[in-house]
Amino acid sequence: DGGITQSPKYLFRKEGQNVTLSCEQNLNHDAMYWYRQDPGQGLRLIYYSQIVNDFQKGDIAEGYSVSREKKESFPLTVTSAQKNPTAFYLCASSPSDRGRQPQHFGDGTRLSIL
Amino acid sequence: SQQGEEDPQALSIQEGENATMNCSYKTSINNLQWYRQNSGRGLVHLILIRSNEREKHSGRLRVTLDTSKKSSSLLITASRAADTASYFCATASGGSNYKLTFGKGTLLTVNP
Repeated sequence: DGGITQSPKYLFRKEGQNVTLSCEQNLNHDAMYWYRQDPGQGLRLIYYSQIVNDFQKGDIAEGYSVSREKKESFPLTVTSAQKNPTAFYLCASSPSDRGRQPQHFGDGTRLSIL
Repeated sequence: SQQGEEDPQALSIQEGENATMNCSYKTSINNLQWYRQNSGRGLVHLILIRSNEREKHSGRLRVTLDTSKKSSSLLITASRAADTASYFCATASGGSNYKLTFGKGTLLTVNP
């Protein structure tokens, strides 16, 4: 079955710690995205990548970093510089970045502070 | 910044009734998309309507788009308890640096 796999489902971060959220897709999509969702809010774009070895900042990139070394993988690191990391993080992919195709989402990682 | 704003924020109906959700946006768009999110899950794409289209259907879903009013509506007919979820509109705009901008969503509760 093709899809997007996010892991872990739940993650806890200690003060001053960096944590990495995994996102893998087997849909052969070129574009991948990371969103943050806070309670009762819509999705806000953190980073997106159009092709391998290339990525752009979204609306709320501060305190986050990404890499795109493989087409199928787009991990997100929440650094200690992100002072309010508690949120639901969603990864998505689409066949291109042109906005003319729908995005496919994983089931999210819920990050909390210890 | 939020581009799309859904209305109402929450909607509670009985099974079998129709549910209508609205979305307003501020700038010109390439297309508008509707997504559904069950509690604690990822989003699922429902329907995409392009800026040159006025209406689209998919099963029990009907979406309209009025670019002159910068608004869209999602109608779910003959609702079922399984339709209980949050529904988001997302607008795609911009040139080479396009992105999808999501609204805050409408929480639909369908009571059996």
